[in-house]
Amino acid sequence: GAVVSQHPSWVICKSGTSVKIECRSLDFQATTMFWYRQFPKQSLMLMATSNEGSKATYEQGVEKDKFLINHASLTLSTLTVTSAHPEDSSFYICSARDYGLAGDNEQFFGPGTRLTVL
Amino acid sequence: SQELEQSPQSLIVQEGKNLTINCTSSKTLYGLYWYKQKYGEGLIFLMMLQKGGEEKSHEKITAKLDEKKQQSSLHITASQPSHAGIYLCGADVSGTASKLTFGTGTRLQVTL
Repeated sequence: GAVVSQHPSWVICKSGTSVKIECRSLDFQATTMFWYRQFPKQSLMLMATSNEGSKATYEQGVEKDKFLINHASLTLSTLTVTSAHPEDSSFYICSARDYGLAGDNEQFFGPGTRLTVL
Repeated sequence: SQELEQSPQSLIVQEGKNLTINCTSSKTLYGLYWYKQKYGEGLIFLMMLQKGGEEKSHEKITAKLDEKKQQSSLHITASQPSHAGIYLCGADVSGTASKLTFGTGTRLQVTL
């Protein structure tokens, strides 16, 4: 149980285009999902917290208009990188929290999406 | 500065050897999680610690949280090539159970 999927697993796009990444909880309902960014050989940096049915909470320094987050259902959150530029190239990982399970703050992680902007 | 510091940053050990990875914070760790990540992949949950002095083991991996809840260690006994990867500690340092802050990561290589 507690499986989180991401789609696509990798994407290459041209500079200036927008890219949407999906994060799904497959066998549980996730009222909260998190989006992280990871640069090579670095740790995970939290970008935003996505709450179902409400606006996402962004971390300091993360542009809301550039990284659009939508959490329209209890099993799906999307991250759209708008007008992508080469510096947006990174590994994006989502996680989901299931309040129905024991382990208050445990997060289940997706496999990640590698974005390359040319 | 990082709220969670991990040491060492990288580690190369011979198969069969023991090793320890540390995760240290200047703040109280309200929940400490250890994850393993292979390059370009998601995180695999290893263990969660909440109480000061708590210790958990799974197969050859043991994790401990100190009494002050500011430091955790991950110990691997008789390492195997399958243990290779990046080990990350994550913790709730705000006490609000709202999000996790991650450590800097430790890259482990196991040689034959």
